[in-house]
Amino acid sequence: DAGVIQSPRHEVTEMGQEVTLRCKPISGHDYLFWYRQTMMRGLELLIYFNNNVPIDDSGMPEDRFSAKMPNASFSTLKIQPSEPRDSAVYFCASSLESEQFFGPGTRLTVL
Amino acid sequence: AQSVTQPDIHITVSEGASLELRCNYSYGATPYLFWYVQSPGQGLQLLLKYFSGDTLVQGIKGFEAEFKRSQSSFNLRKPSVHWSDAAEYFCAVGPYSSASKIIFGSGTRLSIRP
Repeated sequence: DAGVIQSPRHEVTEMGQEVTLRCKPISGHDYLFWYRQTMMRGLELLIYFNNNVPIDDSGMPEDRFSAKMPNASFSTLKIQPSEPRDSAVYFCASSLESEQFFGPGTRLTVL
Repeated sequence: AQSVTQPDIHITVSEGASLELRCNYSYGATPYLFWYVQSPGQGLQLLLKYFSGDTLVQGIKGFEAEFKRSQSSFNLRKPSVHWSDAAEYFCAVGPYSSASKIIFGSGTRLSIRP
């Protein structure tokens, strides 16, 4: 398996623009997690899904953030409108049992 | 409250020296414990995991960790570090019963002195 795939790897956008991050989990995994990593706050869990259903979105910072998982092989994290403080590395991870497998991340820069 | 504490933010060791990274946890149920490593610009990679059995668990890249229930600790060790071990290391705890969210520590950055 190719592992967890994320796209794009890097995204540079201007404040106010919509940003969509994409994730393809490992085939057969039924949990999917979105994390954000910054120097100041470390690794934060934003939201996670089980069998495509959002289970816990308490980590989503505000209404500008939304996540969907329309099927078992695809998820998106959308920020609209984006702000400079959203600049971070966003990771997607998937799991079948307790171990989580992480993607390479998307480095987002909002100017 | 469930939490993971990594008391050392940054550690520097000489190449060839031994290493121990500390991790303490607080978890209500029987924990599943993990150590992940993050190299610069990369995602997190699992080094090792522990749920039950021998309290000394071996992982990849020559790392091992020891579970001490009485101390609520799961420290990571390596007898002799290599320059390629320079990275960020995360301890984490989660439930064994399901793959729901696991709690990560704040990480320890390891630098290697030539």
